[in-house]
Amino acid sequence: EIVLTQSPATLSLSPGERATLSCRASQSVYSYLAWYQQKLGQAPRLLIYGASNRATGIPARFSSSGSGTDFTLTISSLEPEDFAVYYCQQRSSWPWTFGQGTKVEIK
Amino acid sequence: QVQLQESGPGLVKPSETLSLTCTVSGGSISSYYWNWIRQSAGKGLEWIGRIYSSGSTNYNPSLKSRVTMSIDTSKNQFSLKLNSVTAADTAVYYCARDEFWFLNWGQGTLVTVSS
Repeated sequence: EIVLTQSPATLSLSPGERATLSCRASQSVYSYLAWYQQKLGQAPRLLIYGASNRATGIPARFSSSGSGTDFTLTISSLEPEDFAVYYCQQRSSWPWTFGQGTKVEIK
Repeated sequence: QVQLQESGPGLVKPSETLSLTCTVSGGSISSYYWNWIRQSAGKGLEWIGRIYSSGSTNYNPSLKSRVTMSIDTSKNQFSLKLNSVTAADTAVYYCARDEFWFLNWGQGTLVTVSS
């Protein structure tokens, strides 16, 4: 099973600041990686798929890069609604797995 | 826009079977894969498995011996059964449509395993 390790566990930032989240895979997932945002009491929401493609309706301040084992999600300027937990997920090999999440909290 | 809604008991006793149903509205259940994903404090998000509209399935090996999924295309529903549950199976259970990525999710239902 591919293990996805996200860092940091918590990111404390202020609105307007840039957020950089990392996801590292235990083996190559090529570009079969997605990022999800989850707010309290809600289901995860797809942000990024195929490592770098924004899902429909996702603002341009969200971007992602990487391939193979190292991926980065960047939020260029945090809006109040962006404070949430972010998960990466791989679909390269069975079973599909998720990272443990990075919480972006208000500083 | 397709909508998914989980339903089933919120409390299950240890060693019994957890049974959940996901009802799909706003679209056909045919020609898609349908997934179950759970989220617990201890293990985070965990993919349980998926079922195609034809009935073919793929399960997470860690749960395969205890999981059964089924689908009823006439009712636009699919179901999850997890047997021999323990406290470790306490989680929020989500159903989600597979469009290569998990684009559409249900709101989730909390299932607690306790006597």
